[in-house]
Amino acid sequence: DAKTTQPTSMDCAEGRAANLPCNHSTISGNEYVYWYRQIHSQGPQYIIHGLKNNETNEMASLIITEDRKSSTLILPHATLRDTAVYYCIVRGLNTNAGKSTFGDGTTLTVKP
Amino acid sequence: EAEVAQSPRYKITEKSQAVAFWCDPISGHATLYWYRQILGQGPELLVQFQDESVVDDSQLPKDRFSAERLKGVDSTLKIQPAELGDSAMYLCASSLARQGPAFFGQGTRLTVV
Repeated sequence: DAKTTQPTSMDCAEGRAANLPCNHSTISGNEYVYWYRQIHSQGPQYIIHGLKNNETNEMASLIITEDRKSSTLILPHATLRDTAVYYCIVRGLNTNAGKSTFGDGTTLTVKP
Repeated sequence: EAEVAQSPRYKITEKSQAVAFWCDPISGHATLYWYRQILGQGPELLVQFQDESVVDDSQLPKDRFSAERLKGVDSTLKIQPAELGDSAMYLCASSLARQGPAFFGQGTRLTVV
């Protein structure tokens, strides 16, 4: 699976959009981009995933660049409860979910 | 909403003792994973089951760790003997299919003293 690079930490004002970048320049054609988050002392929570088209669900939007070498997770109206570590993972279609390499993620702090 | 259940939530044990963790995946999820997460790091996969069979235990320290999923539903992860370096969060996750997203339990925080 391709390696991902994320900033170590980011801040966001409450009510504003939080845009979390992820670089996956070595991604291959059949690899999906997954996002999870982990709130302190809890297990990771699945957020969203995509292949090449932008995706949106009730939690977030995922924007994948045309060359698929990077993506951005958007939380449209961040709240204090969105403070967490966000993990970007790249995984092949035939790779088991458990093979996801989490890395160290981005610590997002939402401030009032 | 269906959840992955884990117990205990916290466990303190002395080094050289045995310790066990239990996981009940989301109903119908054939794939089950055990992860270890050291403080400040991302989770790392220890073992993966497909139904009752182990499909990947390449990262499991087999001299002291064992895992089973006898009936293909709930699972137990055991450490014997525990060492100080085993202090970590132990996470269980399940997925409907191997390729789908994984859903995690709350984890068991193990402290070895």
